[in-house]
Amino acid sequence: DTAVSQTPKYLVTQMGNDKSIKCEQNLGHDTMYWYKQDSKKFLKIMFSYNNKELIINETVPNRFSPKSPDKAHLNLHINSLELGDSAVYFCASSPITGGVSPLHFGNGTRLTVT
Amino acid sequence: AQKITQTQPGMFVQEKEAVTLDCTYDTSDQSYGLFWYKQPSSGEMIFLIYQGSYDEQNATEGRYSLNFQKARKSANLVISASQLGDSAMYFCAMREGLMRGSNYKLTFGKGTLLTVNP
Repeated sequence: DTAVSQTPKYLVTQMGNDKSIKCEQNLGHDTMYWYKQDSKKFLKIMFSYNNKELIINETVPNRFSPKSPDKAHLNLHINSLELGDSAVYFCASSPITGGVSPLHFGNGTRLTVT
Repeated sequence: AQKITQTQPGMFVQEKEAVTLDCTYDTSDQSYGLFWYKQPSSGEMIFLIYQGSYDEQNATEGRYSLNFQKARKSANLVISASQLGDSAMYFCAMREGLMRGSNYKLTFGKGTLLTVNP
């Protein structure tokens, strides 16, 4: 199936731990994103990569570090997790030529920090 | 200032009736795109419909249509013949600077929770 897939679907961890979320897309898109959806359902962009190059970093704490080994993958590593990091994290992708193209989202990773 | 404003936190509609979800936007760009997404309780983000700033006709996709009023900077989503499965959160989003070609992020509104009653 063609899709944006992210793992894990659920992540429960304690404060201070380090965790990673993986994302892969097989749509052939050049641009990938990480969005955070808070408890009020507000979606806010965190990062965007275009062909492995970081193009958007929206004032995200340094504890969050995206890594794109190739244009089909964009992983998110979070150090020293805090309670406020609890949210749903969405990976998404879009084609580089597609100003008119929608973002294709993964199904989200629900992170709970206790 | 908010780029995308959805003034209705929640809306109710009877099954088979039409409903309009409001969205206003703020941009100084001449070239931009407006998108609507649906997020059911299962959590996935489903793309519904797109309207470009230069599109002269209002976009339609099946039961979804977009009432685009450029001068008022509004892009309301109209769902006709509502179904129980339409109950979900609906997000309006905007992509600015389409001609610049370097920033494809979408900026989202806060969403409207639609409940369809039988």
